[in-house]
Amino acid sequence: GAGVSQSPSNKVTEKGKDVELRCDPISGHTALYWYRQRLGQGLEFLIYFQGNSAPDKSGLPSDRFSAERTGESVSTLTIQRTQQEDSAVYLCASSILLSLSYEQYFGPGTRLTVT
Amino acid sequence: QQQVKQSPQSLIVQKGGISIINCAYENTAFDYFPWYQQFPGKGPALLIAIRPDVSEKKEGRFTISFNKSAKQFSLHIMDSQPGDSATYFCAATSGSRLTFGEGTQLTVNP
Repeated sequence: GAGVSQSPSNKVTEKGKDVELRCDPISGHTALYWYRQRLGQGLEFLIYFQGNSAPDKSGLPSDRFSAERTGESVSTLTIQRTQQEDSAVYLCASSILLSLSYEQYFGPGTRLTVT
Repeated sequence: QQQVKQSPQSLIVQKGGISIINCAYENTAFDYFPWYQQFPGKGPALLIAIRPDVSEKKEGRFTISFNKSAKQFSLHIMDSQPGDSATYFCAATSGSRLTFGEGTQLTVNP
């Protein structure tokens, strides 16, 4: 079956521009997560969504970062006024339930380069 | 602060050898400990996971050993193969969020 998909796969943008990253979770998965992975480093939690509940935004590094999710489908992560330190791979994952967060299915990521 | 510390940062093993990666945690509220495997250009994929009431779990060549009193757990890869070359992340969850270790880059030489 289809896994988690993300688009674009690569994005190069100029400092100060806004970018929007998209995630399509596995159908039927109620929980969706966003992570940031800097080169050679671990995964940094950004935000998660669970159904219609309020998202946990506690990992967002600044108010330039925001994310939305429509129901239990597509999610978009928006970074406004991008900075060079935003360069990273942004990974999206989904799980069947939030309570099964240990079993997350990851997309291939979007590699963001801010020049 | 929730943290999971992972070592070593990188590991080189000969084909057929045993690869061992260690992790330690502080938060006793963690209730599940998965390991993820990541190949270059791909997202991480769940490899194996263990609950804290179990001391060991084995799936094929992969074994998790868990020491609750020491708050440590480790991944053992038996008969390591070049195809196992990847980055491995330990993680821990307290229900809704995964906290990842920094990762170990494993290279298995033929």
